[in-house]
Amino acid sequence: AQSVTQLDSQVPVFEEAPVELRCNYSSSVSVYLFWYVQYPNQGLQLLLKYLSGSTLVKGINGFEAEFNKSQTSFHLRKPSVHISDTAEYFCAVSLRSNDYKLSFGAGTTVTVRA
Amino acid sequence: DAMVIQNPRYQVTQFGKPVTLSCSQTLNHNVMYWYQQKSSQAPKLLFHYYDKDFNNEADTPDNFQSRRPNTSFCFLDIRSPGLGDAAMYLCATSRGTGQGSTDTQYFGPGTRLTVL
Repeated sequence: AQSVTQLDSQVPVFEEAPVELRCNYSSSVSVYLFWYVQYPNQGLQLLLKYLSGSTLVKGINGFEAEFNKSQTSFHLRKPSVHISDTAEYFCAVSLRSNDYKLSFGAGTTVTVRA
Repeated sequence: DAMVIQNPRYQVTQFGKPVTLSCSQTLNHNVMYWYQQKSSQAPKLLFHYYDKDFNNEADTPDNFQSRRPNTSFCFLDIRSPGLGDAAMYLCATSRGTGQGSTDTQYFGPGTRLTVL
């Protein structure tokens, strides 16, 4: 079975500062990796996903993530955050099989302050 | 805009009183999912439908049932809600036309269930 650990439950950050959200996974087989964001009172939406190819993945709203197979990590970064980036961020994995199951981490709440 | 809609957004029920949550989609996706999300925890998949094919997670309690009468609608029935079933319930969809594990899932805003 696969599992996802998000190492920080809360990340406060000042506007225009960089932010990194850490995600580690464990799985005995290869996985696909995802980051979803949940803005207040909204559903989750996809930020980016890693399927194959370049280990640096660019997503929406200036976010990017890097897949590191040896460290089984998929950390999310943004070089300069805005107030509007205040949200909860979820890392998720799926197995490389024809399986519809996503396993989520517990989430990281990012609060951006002016 | 194509979307996933959940009604109601907030639902209050009494201990043991059956409750139904609904989800509809205008995306014409093949797959529909129900997740349970408790406070400060990861969303947990309860079950999903690929078209009419129902797939239950092994650890989903029998108290939870689902119906998908057509492509657009999916319902979550909780037969006898307990206090531990209070949570946010998220509906999601995905295309389901290729390799399922690469699919992007599209989520509704959720229904917050309170059990008194």
